[in-house]
Amino acid sequence: ETGVTQTPRHLVMGMTNKKSLKCEQHLGHNAMYWYKQSAKKPLELMFVYSLEERVENNSVPSRFSPECPNSSHLFLHLHTLQPEDSALYLCASSQDLSFSGNTIYFGEGSWLTVV
Amino acid sequence: KNEVEQSPQNLTAQEGEFITINCSYSVGISALHWLQQHPGGGIVSLFMLSSGKKKHGRLIATINIQEKHSSLHITASHPRDSAVYICAVAWGGAQKLVFGQGTRLTINP
Repeated sequence: ETGVTQTPRHLVMGMTNKKSLKCEQHLGHNAMYWYKQSAKKPLELMFVYSLEERVENNSVPSRFSPECPNSSHLFLHLHTLQPEDSALYLCASSQDLSFSGNTIYFGEGSWLTVV
Repeated sequence: KNEVEQSPQNLTAQEGEFITINCSYSVGISALHWLQQHPGGGIVSLFMLSSGKKKHGRLIATINIQEKHSSLHITASHPRDSAVYICAVAWGGAQKLVFGQGTRLTINP
C-alpha cells in the first residue's frame, strides 16, 4: 500500500469507447503524474500537475485528456484510442516537483487494452 | 537530454546469491532513485540518493557521482526479490525524472 490508489486495475475498451482512469492519493502531496509504460520500454511521462495546475504536457495526443479537480484526485479521460495505446498507465505523486529531496509514490497501475 | 542505461537487462540467479544491478547516466544529476516493480505492475521506491551509500535490510545502493554510475546490491537473494528493478535520475533542476529500461531479476529457489 503506497497511498496512491488507481482504478480500474484492468480495462478493455473498443476504439470508439470513452472511458476514464482514476487516481487518488492520501499522502497530502502537491504534485501528481501520469506515466505510460509500454512493453520493454522505459516509463514515459505524460502529464504533470502541481497544485491542480497542469505544468507539463509531454506531447501526448489529444485522445488522452487529463483532469485534476483537486490535489488528491487525478483522472485520465480516454476516447477514440488506438490499439498501440494498450499499455500500463501509472499514476504517481510526490510532495512537490523536486525529485532531489522527494520520493515518488506510484499506484498499482491500470492495465489498458484497446481492441 | 539524460540517457540512463541499466545492465544487465535480465538476470537469473539462485537463492542466496549476491546480486548487482548497474545504472549509468550521461549528464550530471541531483539525485538517483532505485525502484522495484512487482509482476502486478505496482512500483515501490527503494532508495533515493545523491552521494555515497544507503542500506535497507538486504539491499544496498551506492552512487559514484564522478563516474556517473550507481549500483544496487541484494545480499542473500530470495525468490521474493524477483521483480523489475528500475533506476531513475533527477536532473534539469531536479524536476525531470528519466527512467532506465529496467532490469528483470529472477531468483530461483
